[in-house]
Amino acid sequence: AQKITQTQPGMFVQEKEAVTLDCTYDTSDPSYGLFWYKQPSSGEMIFLIYQGSYDQQNATEGRYSLNFQKARKSANLVISASQLGDSAMYFCAMREGNSGGYQKVTFGTGTKLQVIP
Amino acid sequence: EAGVTQFPSHSVIEKGQTVTLRCDPISGHDNLYWYRRVMGKEIKFLLHFVKESKQDESGMPNNRFLAERTGGTYSTLKVQPAELEDSGVYFCASSQEGTSGSIYEQYFGPGTRLTVT
Repeated sequence: AQKITQTQPGMFVQEKEAVTLDCTYDTSDPSYGLFWYKQPSSGEMIFLIYQGSYDQQNATEGRYSLNFQKARKSANLVISASQLGDSAMYFCAMREGNSGGYQKVTFGTGTKLQVIP
Repeated sequence: EAGVTQFPSHSVIEKGQTVTLRCDPISGHDNLYWYRRVMGKEIKFLLHFVKESKQDESGMPNNRFLAERTGGTYSTLKVQPAELEDSGVYFCASSQEGTSGSIYEQYFGPGTRLTVT
């Protein structure tokens, strides 16, 4: 079974509008972390936001917020006020286990976001 | 603080040749990871070093791949002999040694784009 599922291969959003990128995950480990990375056309992987499984509040970083619904095992990324520079590939990822132990990160297949002027 | 660096940024080699990729993690990061993204597919874990020791190499595709991290600093990933299906982007990431209950984010390098012709 897929550990990380991103069901949207591609999405469009109008500039200045908000967009939600979906991510669901599957794990039986009570301790895990969820990440979102951005990969622009230049290829580098840019860390955006992190949510720990024990965190009570949804993570926010500037225009990025993570809609964490633990019971549904979803960790959707919300980008507010989209900008042209947000056009990129976005990857949802999960690390299972505690730090200091097993730290392999599993990635989803990614969502390609295109911001339209 | 310098980020994770990778060398070379691009490499084009012929089938059967050898290529060595290098990763310099962030100074002080004990954990070093290699990942690979083959065109159109998800990013997949290859292996994880803790200092100079291989913690998990379950993602290494076959024995044509050899990773080393002598001295626990930089790491190399050698592909010998390279095959067409080895083409893709190879990412390196590093993270700090964590304490119990915390999960440290991984910082990714810019990747090395390998093309085997």
